[in-house]
Amino acid sequence: GQQVMQIPQYQHVQEGEDFTTYCNSSTTLSNIQWYKQRPGGHPVFLIQLVKSGEVKKQKRLTFQFGEAKKNSSLHITATQTTDVGTYFCAGPGSNTGKLIFGQGTTLQVKP
Amino acid sequence: DAEITQSPRHKITETGRQVTLACHQTWNHNNMFWYRQDLGHGLRLIHYSYGVHDTNKGEVSDGYSVSRSNTEDPPLTLESAASSQTSVYFCASSEGRGFANEKLFFGSGTQLSVL
Repeated sequence: GQQVMQIPQYQHVQEGEDFTTYCNSSTTLSNIQWYKQRPGGHPVFLIQLVKSGEVKKQKRLTFQFGEAKKNSSLHITATQTTDVGTYFCAGPGSNTGKLIFGQGTTLQVKP
Repeated sequence: DAEITQSPRHKITETGRQVTLACHQTWNHNNMFWYRQDLGHGLRLIHYSYGVHDTNKGEVSDGYSVSRSNTEDPPLTLESAASSQTSVYFCASSEGRGFANEKLFFGSGTQLSVL
């Protein structure tokens, strides 16, 4: 079946370093969403990308949607301790239309 | 403010017992979802509903049921709890006008332990 994969599963960085997580789908996606879950919290919607090659920025966060609409990335510039958490990508299933979540990338930031 | 709340926050039960997890949303959203979250698996869909009296099985529906008698409250029931159902359960909603393109609003989750 359709899969949405994220790498890496875990990432430890020193505060101030950059961080990137990658999301890959086995099929073309009509859109991709990104969520952030703080430790002990619940997933919170960050952004949605729809167009091929789209790039969106939210302060230090940069989101990209691949040209083929099968992959996406989230890049954080100069990480801060407030960036700690698990970042999930999610895309609609080709057969079901329901969101399929990646396994998430857990970011830890050392002060 | 509109919100989505789950109760209880934590629950411990014994194998074989029936357990019901509550979810209540005040956005009047049509679409409701139940997910479970386990280490290494991310969020997996258990059941979903497009509206009142509508329920559908998701990816990991065995051993679970959902009812939707009103818009606000779609409780999740574990018919006979098993240790494999120890997990964090999230209820989520979306507005319901364009399902696959809509963002989800999540509740705070219920940590369920089956002993």
